[in-house]
Amino acid sequence: DAGVTQSPTHLIKTRGQQVTLRCSPKSGHDTVSWYQQALGQGPQFIFQYYEEEERQRGNFPDRFSGHQFPNYSSELNVNALLLGDSALYLCASSLDLEGGGTEAFFGQGTRLTVV
Amino acid sequence: AQTVTQSQPEMSVQEAETVTLSCTYDTSESDYYLFWYKQPPSRQMILVIRQEAYKQQNATENRFSVNFQKAAKSFSLKISDSQLGDAAMYFCAYNPLLVYGGATNKLIFGTGTLLAVQP
Repeated sequence: DAGVTQSPTHLIKTRGQQVTLRCSPKSGHDTVSWYQQALGQGPQFIFQYYEEEERQRGNFPDRFSGHQFPNYSSELNVNALLLGDSALYLCASSLDLEGGGTEAFFGQGTRLTVV
Repeated sequence: AQTVTQSQPEMSVQEAETVTLSCTYDTSESDYYLFWYKQPPSRQMILVIRQEAYKQQNATENRFSVNFQKAAKSFSLKISDSQLGDAAMYFCAYNPLLVYGGATNKLIFGTGTLLAVQP
C-alpha cells in the first residue's frame, strides 16, 4: 500500500499564476482533506471532499478550489497566486474506524513557493 | 470557535529520559477526538496517538501516553525512554464530530512543539 501520495513534491510559481496540486488517497479511503502549512505554523484546514463534493471548507478565499474524481483522487487549484500562498500543502485521506471515529493519513506534502 | 494551544515552542530531552509536551484546547462540545501528530523533517504527518473524549481512560501506544483532563481541556503527551528518532515537530490536533457521528477530520492544529533529543 503506497499510502497517500502527492505530486509534485516541490513547485515554484510566479505571482498571479495558477497552480494545481494532486493527491491520491490511501487505498480504500473515500475522503480527502487539504491543509495549508505556512513555515513555522500548524496546518490550516482548506477544504474536504467526499463523494466528489466539497463537504466542508475552512476560511480560505474562493481562489482556492478543488475537485475529487470517481477514483477518490483529488486536486487543489489555486488561482491568482499571492506571495502569501507560499507554504507546504498537505493532503490527508480518511478511514472510518469502528465506532464511527476516523483517522487521517497524510501525504508528504507539496512545497509551493511563489516568487 | 475551537482553538488549540501549544505553549512550548521548543523542548529538549536526553536520550532514554521522559518528556511531556503540553496542549490545551477550547471547545463547547462534549464529544470530539484529540490527536498528537509527529512531523519529522521528511514533512509527513505521522499519527502518534489518539483519544476519544468520551473515554476516561488515557490512551497509550508503547512509549507514548497521554494525560487527558477533559474538564481542564488539557491533553498532554508523555514520551518515555526517548529515542533519537523521536526528534521532530509535534502537533496537537482537535477533531470535531459530524452531526451523525464520526469525526469530521476538519483537524484544528496547534502551532507545534519542536522536540530535540540529546544523545
